[in-house]
Amino acid sequence: QKEVEQDPGPLSVPEGAIVSLNCTYSNSAFQYFMWYRQYSRKGPELLMYTYSSGNKEDGRFTAQVDKSSKYISLFIRDSQPSDSATYLCAMSANQGGSEKLVFGKGTKLTVNP
Amino acid sequence: AAGVIQSPRHLIKEKRETATLKCYPIPRHDTVYWYQQGPGQDPQFLISFYEKMQSDKGSIPDRFSAQQFSDYHSELNMSSLELGDSALYFCASSPGPGDEQFFGPGTRLTVL
Repeated sequence: QKEVEQDPGPLSVPEGAIVSLNCTYSNSAFQYFMWYRQYSRKGPELLMYTYSSGNKEDGRFTAQVDKSSKYISLFIRDSQPSDSATYLCAMSANQGGSEKLVFGKGTKLTVNP
Repeated sequence: AAGVIQSPRHLIKEKRETATLKCYPIPRHDTVYWYQQGPGQDPQFLISFYEKMQSDKGSIPDRFSAQQFSDYHSELNMSSLELGDSALYFCASSPGPGDEQFFGPGTRLTVL
């Protein structure tokens, strides 16, 4: 079993829809949680970074972390065609000198005009 | 704003050849990470450096080595290349250990 599980999709929604992306994890040592957006053949772009349970909002994006359930989510409001990309969740333990990111498989999102 | 710079962006090598990938972190970032992303896969951590010292090591083959230089740029050296080494190689930098990691555009390595 992978440490981080993410539904690979693909997910297709109409423009303006609310998108919900999710990841679950098994390693309780994970303390830092991130969402990256990756366009085809490009580097991952950091969208959200959080280290506590609860919600964090940035524009149309809301990241939600539930450490008790080992579950994180990213919500995209008023989705746009330019949001079409692969979304990767990532997390790290930041313990013992290890800050490596462990990624989910990524969810491919298409927002249709 | 300045971003992470990686060179070359594309590299084609034959089996058993050697490749060197370079990474220039965001200014004032002293921590560098290397990741490998195979086709349709998520990025896998290879190795990281903090203040020019190796700080963590992941699933990096013994054929690969890396270092961070006094100007904080990093190089990933890959020898005896195999077909399975074909992948996107990303470098990420952060202001310090545990901070957000910002990724470069990647180097696409193709081994023929």
